[in-house]
Amino acid sequence: EAQVTQNPRYLITVTGKKLTVTCSQNMNHEYMSWYRQDPGLGLRQIYYSMNVEVTDKGDVPEGYKVSRKEKRNFPLILESPSPNQTSLYFCASSHPATGGAGANVLTFGAGSRLTVL
Amino acid sequence: KQEVTQIPAALSVPEGENLVLNCSFTDSAIYNLQWFRQDPGKGLTSLLLIQSSQREQTSGRLNASLDKSSGRSTLYIAASQPGDSATYLCAVHSNSGYALNFGKGTSLLVTP
Repeated sequence: EAQVTQNPRYLITVTGKKLTVTCSQNMNHEYMSWYRQDPGLGLRQIYYSMNVEVTDKGDVPEGYKVSRKEKRNFPLILESPSPNQTSLYFCASSHPATGGAGANVLTFGAGSRLTVL
Repeated sequence: KQEVTQIPAALSVPEGENLVLNCSFTDSAIYNLQWFRQDPGKGLTSLLLIQSSQREQTSGRLNASLDKSSGRSTLYIAASQPGDSATYLCAVHSNSGYALNFGKGTSLLVTP
């Protein structure tokens, strides 16, 4: 089944304890991205990647890192989590739209709910 | 910076009604616009994608239109059903980069 898989789905951690949220897709998509969803603020893009070794900042990249060493994986790293990073996180992927730029129909993962105490 | 606004924020209609959800964006230099559905506690499901060169897309009871010059898109849902109850999100892909900007969504409740 074509899908985007995120792990963990739920995590409670403490301030300063490094954590990684994994994202893997089995559709050979070039484009992958991370979002956080907060009440009243909607979905905001954290980072995106157009292909292996190509990443760029979205609207809210502070406090996060990403890497794209393989096409299928795009982990989100919180080096020193803080309570303001408590949120629902989504990973998504797609092929680039025809013509190269942008992204085509996005497939989203089920979400990872992170609580930082 | 691209700003995406969705109106109304919430909508409640009786089953069977036709309804329109609105999305507006500030920068008309877009590559495409997508409409998504999100059920409570779940991820997003893509409903329709409209490329900047297109005026509309249809899928079943859903029809999305795009007026790039005025910075507007509408999602039309015909003959609404209780199963359509969800949050509907509009997302714009700008030409200036590969970032994707979302509206805050319209929460739809269709009552039997």
